[in-house]
Amino acid sequence: GQQVMQIPQYQHVQEGEDFTTYCNSSTTLSNIQWYKQRPGGHPVFLIQLVKSGEVKKQKRLTFQFGEAKKNSSLHITATQTTDVGTYFCASKAAGNKLTFGGGTRVLVKP
Amino acid sequence: EAGVAQSPRYKIIEKRQSVAFWCNPISGHATLYWYQQILGQGPKLLIQFQNNGVVDDSQLPKDRFSAERLKGVDSTLKIQPAKLEDSAVYLCASSLVRRPEAFFGQGTRLTVV
Repeated sequence: GQQVMQIPQYQHVQEGEDFTTYCNSSTTLSNIQWYKQRPGGHPVFLIQLVKSGEVKKQKRLTFQFGEAKKNSSLHITATQTTDVGTYFCASKAAGNKLTFGGGTRVLVKP
Repeated sequence: EAGVAQSPRYKIIEKRQSVAFWCNPISGHATLYWYQQILGQGPKLLIQFQNNGVVDDSQLPKDRFSAERLKGVDSTLKIQPAKLEDSAVYLCASSLVRRPEAFFGQGTRLTVV
């Protein structure tokens, strides 16, 4: 079945620095979604990308879908303490089946 | 608009006991998901309903887990009997068929001792 792998598993970032987390699949994806889960919270939808090479921005967050539609990245600039949490990529397959990656846990050092 | 409601929020049971979780999705959302999230891992899809029909239950341990969605609205997930490795947060989510985003409830944190 469809699987997405995320790297790194953990990311320790100094406040104010940038970082990128990656999502990879061995198969071509029809779409990629990103969710954020705050500590003790539940996943919250951030964005969906569907087109090859698509780039979308949300304030300090930049999301990209690879040309081959097998990978995606999330880049955060000028990290803030509010960015703490786990970022998951996910993909919706036929029949609306939604499969998640293992997540990147982000810790911010003030 | 009310969100996805789940109950209970927390449950502690002994191994071999039974437990049930309840989910009320957002009104009008035909798709309902149950996920198991073990500490430090991503959500693992257990079962997906569209209205009251099962779309995917390939990762549901059917010897001990069962789920139903009568009348295509509320859903219950049951574990009988529970094992230690079932300790996790059980998340319910719902979505509209033609919209990408899934909306999650607060989850039920299950501890099996």
